[in-house]
Amino acid sequence: AQKITQTQPGMFVQEKEAVTLDCTYDTSDPSYGLFWYKQPSSGEMIFLIYQGSYDQQNATEGRYSLNFQKARKSANLVISASQLGDSAMYFCAMREGGATNKLIFGTGTLLAVQP
Amino acid sequence: NAGVMQNPRHLVRRRGQEARLRCSPMKGHSHVYWYRQLPEEGLKFMVYLQKENIIDESGMPKERFSAEFPKEGPSILRIQQVVRGDSAAYFCASSPTKAHDQPQHFGDGTRLSIL
Repeated sequence: AQKITQTQPGMFVQEKEAVTLDCTYDTSDPSYGLFWYKQPSSGEMIFLIYQGSYDQQNATEGRYSLNFQKARKSANLVISASQLGDSAMYFCAMREGGATNKLIFGTGTLLAVQP
Repeated sequence: NAGVMQNPRHLVRRRGQEARLRCSPMKGHSHVYWYRQLPEEGLKFMVYLQKENIIDESGMPKERFSAEFPKEGPSILRIQQVVRGDSAAYFCASSPTKAHDQPQHFGDGTRLSIL
């Protein structure tokens, strides 16, 4: 069965430092996509970055990069040069190929950036 | 604002009443998804619709919940005879195609409170 696991309920990071948020997944489908979303305290869900299962290179979007280790089934989010505005909940999600199109979400990691 | 539009942002109902949540997808998007987020939890898939068709409703409760996406107008998530356990944030998302590499773009959500 498809599953996303985020083992860090909460994390602290100093402003301007890098932080890694962990995500592991489980699927038997060879074709899938992995997504990270940010949910600030205001509640909206903001798409950050995408990694496809067949992508050869790790995805990057500005200060966000995805450390994709397919053999270990992990897709960790790296945020470089943390800013106070990065304080939020971060959700890892997976979508399999095929007929179903739903996203399976992890339980999230609450990141607090300290000045 | 060309994003996914959800209304109302907040909805209060008494037990036994009906709740209707609306979602207008991004322009050019014909695939709509509904998710529910209980307090302190990640998002859980409810239903996936593509114009006039329900594609996957595996996450919908068997009773009291229904969804539609008519040819004209927004998608509607309808909850009949609401109970306290229906209190949650309900998010709508849309994508232009069903390809698994397409991110789902989320609206700001509807916070449903049942008195």
